[in-house]
Amino acid sequence: DAGITQSPRHKVTETGTPVTLRCHQTENHRYMYWYRQDPGHGLRLIHYSYGVKDTDKGEVSDGYSVSRSKTEDFLLTLESATSSQTSVYFCAISDPTSLGPSGGGRTDTQYFGPGTRLTVL
Amino acid sequence: DQQVKQNSPSLSVQEGRISILNCDYTNSMFDYFLWYKKYPAEGPTFLISISSIKDKNEDGRFTVFLNKSAKHLSLHIVPSQPGDSAVYFCAGSGAGSYQLTFGKGTKLSVIP
Repeated sequence: DAGITQSPRHKVTETGTPVTLRCHQTENHRYMYWYRQDPGHGLRLIHYSYGVKDTDKGEVSDGYSVSRSKTEDFLLTLESATSSQTSVYFCAISDPTSLGPSGGGRTDTQYFGPGTRLTVL
Repeated sequence: DQQVKQNSPSLSVQEGRISILNCDYTNSMFDYFLWYKKYPAEGPTFLISISSIKDKNEDGRFTVFLNKSAKHLSLHIVPSQPGDSAVYFCAGSGAGSYQLTFGKGTKLSVIP
C-alpha cells in the first residue's frame, strides 16, 4: 500500500471555526489531491497539487484553500467551516507516467489515504 | 452534468456467480479508466485500470471491458466472493489531465 496518512481521522467542530486537515505521503509522488465524499455524490475533487507550491482548483473548491510547502505534505483548510462541509475527506497521491502505446498507454493511478470524517455543528 | 454514470446504486449476487458492474461516460476526451473498491470507514482502493488503446484488461478474478463506441465500460468479477462486498467506483481521466472524474458508486453485496 502507498504510504499515505491523514490527520486527524475524526474531527467535530463548530460553524465559523477554521479547520486544517493534513495529508502526509512517504512515496515522493508529484501529484496530491483532496476529495470529499458525500452520499449520492461519489468522490468530488476539491483541490489538487502538481508540485511544491503548485496547486489548482477542482470541481468543488469554494470555501476551501490548500497549501503544499513540501513534497510530502498537502494541507486542506476550511477558513470558516459551515455545516455543508460536513463530509468525509480523502487525500490521494499519484505519479503519472506515459508508457506509450506499446507500453499500454499511460498510467496515473491515484492512491488514497484512510480519510478524515469531519462534522461541522 | 454527470460525466461518469453508474446507473445501478446497488447489486446483489450469489457467491460463486459473476458480478457485472457497469459504467457509462459522456466525455469523449476520456482515455483512461479506473475501478476502485471501497469498504466502510476506509479509503478507496485501486482495483484495475484500462487505457483507451485496449478493450480488455484482466487481473485475476477481475476483468474490465471498454467499449469506446458506446462509451461504456464494465467490471466483471468471477467468481464473486463475500469479501468482494463493497462500494465500487468507476473513474475516467482525459488526455493531458491527471484529474479523475468519479461515478457515484455501486454497492455490491455478495450473498454466501
